Amino acid sequence: QSALTQPRSVSGSPGQSVTISCTGTSDDVGGYNYVSWHQQLPGAAPKVMIYDVSERPSGVPDRFSGSKSGNTASLTISGLQAEDEADYYCCSYAGQYSRWVFGGGTKLTVL
Amino acid sequence: QVQLQESGPGLVKPSGTLSLTCAVSGGSISSRNWWSWVRQSPGKGLEWIGEIYHSGTTNYNPSLRSRVTTSVDKSKNQFSLKLTSVTAADTALYYCAKVSETYSYFDFWGQGVLVTVSS
Repeated sequence: QSALTQPRSVSGSPGQSVTISCTGTSDDVGGYNYVSWHQQLPGAAPKVMIYDVSERPSGVPDRFSGSKSGNTASLTISGLQAEDEADYYCCSYAGQYSRWVFGGGTKLTVL
Repeated sequence: QVQLQESGPGLVKPSGTLSLTCAVSGGSISSRNWWSWVRQSPGKGLEWIGEIYHSGTTNYNPSLRSRVTTSVDKSKNQFSLKLTSVTAADTALYYCAKVSETYSYFDFWGQGVLVTVSS
């Protein structure tokens, strides 16, 4: 059982928006602004899409955005494209004892 | 751009020791970064294993702490993972990853190496 809770799957049609939630506790998501989102395409290594809750690395389309409210972080993908179909994992810093925790992953299907 | 490449045996016997190495290119392992190991069991999510700084300072997942050791080889610009007393539950895809300079996220990942625990 993963430390952070994500929906197992979400789906949307091309052009639509989808939001993936990531729920933790005040010891991780709620306690630090160190939430990141990682995209994992089939057979590939994870790739960071959002870091520090809402920052985008260079090269990541601005269709990807992140936010946080309390103990829940969210990844929103607008203008869905077929290439966005992948697994998405949230990750949060969790303090000096646990350090890093992940969500169980969400499979995004573009219909 | 930093690149990471894992290597090691793909098959380990139960009760044995899993040993992996991560070669770092495009950057120095002595830079102000932490270097991590993360694994992904078949069909499951990601699990952080541990991390090491070039000074040798380490942090480990509390659930694995008793079985994990990490080390750094500055001369080869690489870091390593050892996991002892392995069982089938340790079968996973093992990734090495670099933690950002701000120590707030994993900014580069290796391609991963599959390790199967089986007799």
